[in-house]
Amino acid sequence: DGGITQSPKYLFRKEGQNVTLSCEQNLNHDAMYWYRQDPGQGLRLIYYSQIVNDFQKGDIAEGYSVSREKKESFPLTVTSAQKNPTAFYLCASSPDRRSQYFGPGTRLTVL
Amino acid sequence: KQEVTQIPAALSVPEGENLVLNCSFTDSAIYNLQWFRQDPGKGLTSLLLIQSSQREQTSGRLNASLDKSSGRSTLYIAASQPGDSATYLCAVEYGGSQGNLIFGKGTKLSVKP
Repeated sequence: DGGITQSPKYLFRKEGQNVTLSCEQNLNHDAMYWYRQDPGQGLRLIYYSQIVNDFQKGDIAEGYSVSREKKESFPLTVTSAQKNPTAFYLCASSPDRRSQYFGPGTRLTVL
Repeated sequence: KQEVTQIPAALSVPEGENLVLNCSFTDSAIYNLQWFRQDPGKGLTSLLLIQSSQREQTSGRLNASLDKSSGRSTLYIAASQPGDSATYLCAVEYGGSQGNLIFGKGTKLSVKP
């Protein structure tokens, strides 16, 4: 059963902690993306990767880091430098530039 | 700055009505435009994708049109049903953007039985 999985579904973080959000896909897609969504807002691009071992910053990369060691995986780390991390995080993948397929999302809350 | 605007922000209609959702973009040099559906607390589902060379796309009760010269797209939903209730997002990809999408804030649709 092909698709994109994100874990955990809900995540709670204390101030000053780093947390890592998982994104895995078995669609054999080259490109992967991380977006952040705030209430009443559109999605904003954090980081993207077109190929293994390569990634680029999106519009709001400050306070975040990623890695792309495997084609299937694109984890996002929210660092303590991100001052307002509470949001809904969405991962997507794409086989080409014609469509993006989204995971179910992770809701991160800072306590 | 490239921006995508969706109007209205929210819409409530009775079941069975036909409706139109609007999307406008500031730069007409788009590569493609995509409409997504998002249910509360969920990820996005792609509904329709229109390439820059196309004028419209249809899927079932959905029809999306694209007018690059005016910087507008519409999503037409025929014979609305309560199950259509969701937030609809418009996203634009520009040439040279390596697949990056610019999203509007969405239109929250409520279809009343």
